Amino acid sequence: KNEVEQSPQNLTAQEGEFITINCSYSVGISALHWLQQHPGGGIVSLFMLSSGKKKHGRLIATINIQEKHSSLHITASHPRDSAVYICAVSGGGETSGSRLTFGEGTQLTVNP
Amino acid sequence: DAGVTQSPTHLIKTRGQQVTLRCSPISGHKSVSWYQQVLGQGPQFIFQYYEKEERGRGNFPDRFSARQFPNYSSELNVNALLLGDSALYLCASSLQPHSSYEQYFGPGTRLTVT
Repeated sequence: KNEVEQSPQNLTAQEGEFITINCSYSVGISALHWLQQHPGGGIVSLFMLSSGKKKHGRLIATINIQEKHSSLHITASHPRDSAVYICAVSGGGETSGSRLTFGEGTQLTVNP
Repeated sequence: DAGVTQSPTHLIKTRGQQVTLRCSPISGHKSVSWYQQVLGQGPQFIFQYYEKEERGRGNFPDRFSARQFPNYSSELNVNALLLGDSALYLCASSLQPHSSYEQYFGPGTRLTVT
């Protein structure tokens, strides 16, 4: 079993829909990261959180430490949101320091 | 300020050859980490370096090695290339190698082994 599990693996939405991507982890962590990867490979950090909720524009990330679960929400989705969204954790368990342990990623496609 | 840079962008090598990938961190960042991302999977941790010393190593064979230079840039070397080494190699830098510090990723080097 992977230390970081994401669902769904693939998600197709219509423009304007509310989107939720889920992440569960099985180890102790210091922080959870949500990242975005576009075709071609570059990875951009969206959020780094250790508790509660963060919001940036149309993106919202929440984490429940007790349940070892995090969600990434996208409101009013747009075709430019199409990308792979990756959950990663740092610190604790088999991880150490700032090294990241990644989930498999969720491929999001938003159709116009 | 420039972000994390990596070179080359793309590389094609033959089985058995050796390859060197390069990474320059964001100015002021002293920690560099390397990750391997095989197509369709999430990245896997290879190495972390801080102040020229190895601070962590993932589950990769000894064919993989790395080093960090006094200017904090880093090289990843892979010897005796196998087809399975074909992947996107990502470099990330942070101020320090602690989990409270955010990592910033470079664009990656796509290695194809034929």
